[in-house]
Amino acid sequence: KAGVTQTPRYLIKTRGQQVTLSCSPISGHRSVSWYQQTPGQGLQFLFEYFSETQRNKGNFPGRFSGRQFSNSRSEMNVSTLELGDSALYLCASSLEVEQPQHFGDGTRLSIL
Amino acid sequence: GEDVEQSLFLSVREGDSSVINCTYTDSSSTYLYWYKQEPGAGLQLLTYIFSNMDMKQDQRLTVLLNKKDKHLSLRIADTQTGDSAIYFCAEIYPGANNLFFGTGTRLTVIP
Repeated sequence: KAGVTQTPRYLIKTRGQQVTLSCSPISGHRSVSWYQQTPGQGLQFLFEYFSETQRNKGNFPGRFSGRQFSNSRSEMNVSTLELGDSALYLCASSLEVEQPQHFGDGTRLSIL
Repeated sequence: GEDVEQSLFLSVREGDSSVINCTYTDSSSTYLYWYKQEPGAGLQLLTYIFSNMDMKQDQRLTVLLNKKDKHLSLRIADTQTGDSAIYFCAEIYPGANNLFFGTGTRLTVIP
């Protein structure tokens, strides 16, 4: 069974631009969560989607948004990029709530 | 979940046991997890324990849970150089699906 797939692996953008990251969960998993990892703040929860609905959102500004499609694939979007958005963005999928979450290798976003 | 604490560094000799400790915050947490992160990679789920258990063993890994002290530990027996990585503990609350992570412990295995 294929794991969680995130694309692209690396991305370089400039301030003010916007970016879309993609995540394909493990087949059969309906919950997709996104996390941001930075050296200063560690791993922080962004949001979680289940059956195309956002169920939970972390403490991030409205520039961070996401969605989930009917095939459970998910995208997250960051608009008006800031230098502080440079991070590793990780996607995780699980079968249901409170079930173990399996992570992809992440997208490393660098803002110049 | 905002103050899940771990020691930052641990060094052990190859073949010895490693013990990584974690103090979590919420006694109502349902599951507690251990993840491993190698350089340039995402998080690999190592093991997890349900909150009504005291211990779980999985090959070289042993997880101990002390709910009274909100203390979680991960013991790696016969530590190998391939175990060098950052280890994160994480907790999850009832009915929610967002993980709260510790700061991570960087394990260095000395040959």
